[in-house]
Amino acid sequence: RKEVEQDPGPFNVPEGATVAFNCTYSNSASQSFFWYRQDCRKEPKLLMSVYSSGNEDGRFTAQLNRASQYISLLIRDSKLSDSATYLCVVNDRTSYDKVIFGPGTSLSVIP
Amino acid sequence: NAGVTQTPKFRVLKTGQSMTLLCAQDMNHEYMYWYRQDPGMGLRLIHYSVGEGTTAKGEVPDGYNVSRLKKQNFLLGLESAAPSQTSVYFCASSATGTGGTYEQYFGPGTRLTVT
Repeated sequence: RKEVEQDPGPFNVPEGATVAFNCTYSNSASQSFFWYRQDCRKEPKLLMSVYSSGNEDGRFTAQLNRASQYISLLIRDSKLSDSATYLCVVNDRTSYDKVIFGPGTSLSVIP
Repeated sequence: NAGVTQTPKFRVLKTGQSMTLLCAQDMNHEYMYWYRQDPGMGLRLIHYSVGEGTTAKGEVPDGYNVSRLKKQNFLLGLESAAPSQTSVYFCASSATGTGGTYEQYFGPGTRLTVT
């Protein structure tokens, strides 16, 4: 089993739709969780950290379920500019080489 | 403030050739990282550095060497390139180790093809 798994998609959704991505991780010691966004042929950029109680940033909501070892990202009122690949990242804080990037989920928002 | 820069942006090598990728950051970050990204594989850590003069192996270090002689620079070397090293290479830096909540800032990437 891969350490971090994501549905690769692609998710094709119309503008204004709500879309949710899930990410599962295998290391129960993981303590830090992030969502990064990567545009085509560009570098990844931090979208948001994921906190235990869940957190929201505008149209984006991230949630963590430690018992089931998954994190989620919800995007409301999708915009064309949301089209990108979303990378799930986990870290167990015990070693710098234990930052694990998921393979990413591709999102295309269609006019 | 340029952030993280990488040179070159593109490179084609023949099998057995060597090259060095340069990463520079102007944010005074302590930590720097080299990743490779292959389709469907996600980013994989090659080597990292927690400070000037220190380096450590990541998940996929074989075939690569690194040096951090100056805090702002992190060099990735390929001594004898192989087709399996065809990939996109990203450098990143952060204010602290990723054990904290400080984000990693990535460079624009280097697209390397080994024929």
